[in-house]
Amino acid sequence: KAGVTQTPRYLIKTRGQQVTLSCSPISGHRSVSWYQQTPGQGLQFLFEYFSETQRNKGNFPGRFSGRQFSNSRSEMNVSTLELGDSALYLCASSPSPNTGELFFGEGSRLTVL
Amino acid sequence: GIQVEQSPPDLILQEGANSTLRCNFSDSVNNLQWFHQNPWGQLINLFYIPSGTKQNGRLSATTVATERYSLLYISSSQTTDSGVYFCAVDSGTYKYIFGTGTRLKVLA
Repeated sequence: KAGVTQTPRYLIKTRGQQVTLSCSPISGHRSVSWYQQTPGQGLQFLFEYFSETQRNKGNFPGRFSGRQFSNSRSEMNVSTLELGDSALYLCASSPSPNTGELFFGEGSRLTVL
Repeated sequence: GIQVEQSPPDLILQEGANSTLRCNFSDSVNNLQWFHQNPWGQLINLFYIPSGTKQNGRLSATTVATERYSLLYISSSQTTDSGVYFCAVDSGTYKYIFGTGTRLKVLA
């Protein structure tokens, strides 16, 4: 069974640009959540989606947004990039929110210059 | 919100040694997981253990939910055990809160 797939794995952007990251969950998993990891702030929750609905959102500005498609794939978008958005963005999937256990992808490493 | 503290922050061991990593949390939780982050950044599932004890090879974990802590035991450590170990908890909001991690280095 394939794991959680995140694309792209690495990307470099400049300040002011926007970026879209993609996450394909494990087959059969319908809940997708996103986390940001930085050296200064550690691992922080961004948002969680289930059945194409955002169920929970972390404490991030509105420049961070996401969505989930009917096939459970999810995308997150960061607009007007800032240097501080440089981070490893991790996506996790679980069968449903009630199941609890998360399985993570390899992450997308974003560098903002 | 829930606070998650991990100790020790850093740990250096000789190959073959045993270690115990601790995770304290400030409120009751529905879910608790231990992860190992490999050098490439991926979080590898070790245990899903909201309560009780589990073992997987040289690793085992115990969560005492009533006392709000979890322990991860690593026995006969190997150099491949090096990396960062994270504890993450969820109070039922499906929003996992991660600890700051324990950075483990195992020397050959």
